[in-house]
Amino acid sequence: DVKVTQSSRYLVKRTGEKVFLECVQDMDHENMFWYRQDPGLGLRLIYFSYDVKMKEKGDIPEGYSVSREKKERFSLILESASTNQTSMYLCASSIGGAAGELFFGEGSRLTVL
Amino acid sequence: GQQLNQSPQSMFIQEGEDVSMNCTSSSIFNTWLWYKQDPGEGPVLLIALYKAGELTSNGRLTAQFGITRKDSFLNISASIPSDVGIYFCAGQEWNNNDMRFGAGTRLTVKP
Repeated sequence: DVKVTQSSRYLVKRTGEKVFLECVQDMDHENMFWYRQDPGLGLRLIYFSYDVKMKEKGDIPEGYSVSREKKERFSLILESASTNQTSMYLCASSIGGAAGELFFGEGSRLTVL
Repeated sequence: GQQLNQSPQSMFIQEGEDVSMNCTSSSIFNTWLWYKQDPGEGPVLLIALYKAGELTSNGRLTAQFGITRKDSFLNISASIPSDVGIYFCAGQEWNNNDMRFGAGTRLTVKP
C-alpha cells in the first residue's frame, strides 16, 4: 500500500515564526502536492512538484514556499506564519505523468496564534 | 484556478436510506475521482472514472462519469453509520496536470 506520511499531525505556532511541514512517500511517486483544506472551501492547491528540485505554483502559493531535494520528500515552508494560515494541510502523491489518482497523508493541523 | 461545484453541501439521513451527490464543471474533464475523508484523517480514494459514460461500483457505492464530461455523481445505497464523513469529488482537465476538488459533501447518518 502507498504510504504518505506527514511529520506532524498537530502544530501550534506564533505569528511570525517559520514553519516546516514535512511529507514523505514510500512508493517512488513522481508527483507530490500540498493542499490546504478549510471548511466550505474544499481542498485548494498550494504547490506541486513533478520531479526533484522542480516546483510549480498552485492556486494559493502566496505566503508559502516548497522544497523537493529528494524524490520521496516534499516540504512546505511558511517563512513567517500568519493567523490566516491556520488550517489543515494535506500532502499527496501520485505516479508519474498526468496527476491521476492522489494518495493523501493524514494531514497536519496548524494553528497560528 | 477553477473549483468544482459540488452539491449538496451537507446531508442528514437515516440509516438505510440511499444517498446521491454530484459535481459539475464548466470545463471538460478527462478524469473524475471520488474521495471520502473521515474525521481527522486524509481523504481516501473511493472510485476513479476515466471514460465518458463510465459507471463504476465499489460495494454499495456507484459513480458515473457524465456523457458531457462536465459532471459526475456518486450514489451510496443502504447507508450505514460508518458512511459518515466528507465526500469530495475531484477532476482533471484535458490541458492541466493538476487535480481540482469540490468543496465536499458532509454526510451524517442517524442510526
